[in-house]
Amino acid sequence: GQQVMQIPQYQHVQEGEDFTTYCNSSTTLSNIQWYKQRPGGHPVFLIQLVKSGEVKKQKRLTFQFGEAKKNSSLHITATQTTDVGTYFCAAISSGSARQLTFGSGTQLTVLP
Amino acid sequence: EAQVTQNPRYLITVTGKKLTVTCSQNMNHEYMSWYRQDPGLGLRQIYYSMNVEVTDKGDVPEGYKVSRKEKRNFPLILESPSPNQTSLYFCASKRGHTIYFGEGSWLTVV
Repeated sequence: GQQVMQIPQYQHVQEGEDFTTYCNSSTTLSNIQWYKQRPGGHPVFLIQLVKSGEVKKQKRLTFQFGEAKKNSSLHITATQTTDVGTYFCAAISSGSARQLTFGSGTQLTVLP
Repeated sequence: EAQVTQNPRYLITVTGKKLTVTCSQNMNHEYMSWYRQDPGLGLRQIYYSMNVEVTDKGDVPEGYKVSRKEKRNFPLILESPSPNQTSLYFCASKRGHTIYFGEGSWLTVV
């Protein structure tokens, strides 16, 4: 089945530093979603990107969808301790209308 | 309040003893699904359901069964649990492109 590779698996940053996680697919994606899971919690939907080259912002979070619709990134500017958690991308390939495939996640630790 | 409710939240069971994890949503969503989450593997879909009486296999369906007799409920059944089914399980429902996850069920099979 479709695979979505997400890196890095872990990231430790000092509070105030920036953070980026990347997702890559070998196939063209219909869209890509991003989720955040706080420690001990459940994944919470953040955003969906659909268009080639799309960039969306939510406060300090910037989401990008690659021009070829095969990769995406989430960038957090000036991290805060509230950003701690695991960030997942999830994608639907162009050939499938229903199967949402999750990346393995990036676990972010923010050191105060 | 819109929510997806799973039970039990925590369970330790023995190999071979049948168990059911219930899932209920109050948002009248047609689409529901089950995922398991394991370290380093992210969320993998077990089964999904597009509507009542319509279910289909996800990526890792072996060892699991589901049923969808009514729109709000989507139970996950482990007929004969094995230790490799020890995991964190999430039920989810979806409207449009937004997925709503339950709180999760920690299942340990010894």
